[in-house]
Amino acid sequence: QQQVKQSPQSLIVQKGGISIINCAYENTAFDYFPWYQQFPGKGPALLIAIRPDVSEKKEGRFTISFNKSAKQFSLHIMDSQPGDSATYFCAASILRDTPLVFGKGTRLSVIA
Amino acid sequence: NAGVTQTPKFQVLKTGQSMTLQCAQDMNHNSMYWYRQDPGMGLRLIYYSASEGTTDKGEVPNGYNVSRLNKREFSLRLESAAPSQTSVYFCASSGTTTYFSYEQYFGPGTRLTVT
Repeated sequence: QQQVKQSPQSLIVQKGGISIINCAYENTAFDYFPWYQQFPGKGPALLIAIRPDVSEKKEGRFTISFNKSAKQFSLHIMDSQPGDSATYFCAASILRDTPLVFGKGTRLSVIA
Repeated sequence: NAGVTQTPKFQVLKTGQSMTLQCAQDMNHNSMYWYRQDPGMGLRLIYYSASEGTTDKGEVPNGYNVSRLNKREFSLRLESAAPSQTSVYFCASSGTTTYFSYEQYFGPGTRLTVT
């Protein structure tokens, strides 16, 4: 049973464009929704995260939009740059220090 | 701070051989995790340890064993390696920082090939 569904699997965006990655979850008990960024040959690293009590969180060019009623959240990357080319994972968890459930990942390529 | 370290970085095993992947963290975190990453499958949890002295199965525990040696170290053992265990293995740790942050810190990974 896949608890977090992520789409698309891959995404190609022109430099300066907006990258959008979507995730949907099933378990309404989830209370923490992070996005991780992974460069080739490296471990994932936390990019940005949101709690369900807010609908949007912005950090620089990265924004999480959260729709509690639809059980969906998305990552928007504004002014996408070639350096943003990486694999992005959404995730969710219920309690502090419990394992994250990850989506299957989106490989983003930003081309000049 | 080294963060989360993993050894070895690369390993090739023959079917049936055994090996232990080592993981250590220097952030005084309570919880540690082992994931495997396969193309198109994302990160799947193998085992985790919520605190020193406890371990629990994750999504894909078959063929693996773990040991939480102390608060710093969490090892993953393959008793009889199979080609299906060819993967990249990541160790991670987390601790209670701020209320909002449940951040997991990942190691650099071990790329394992079983022939």
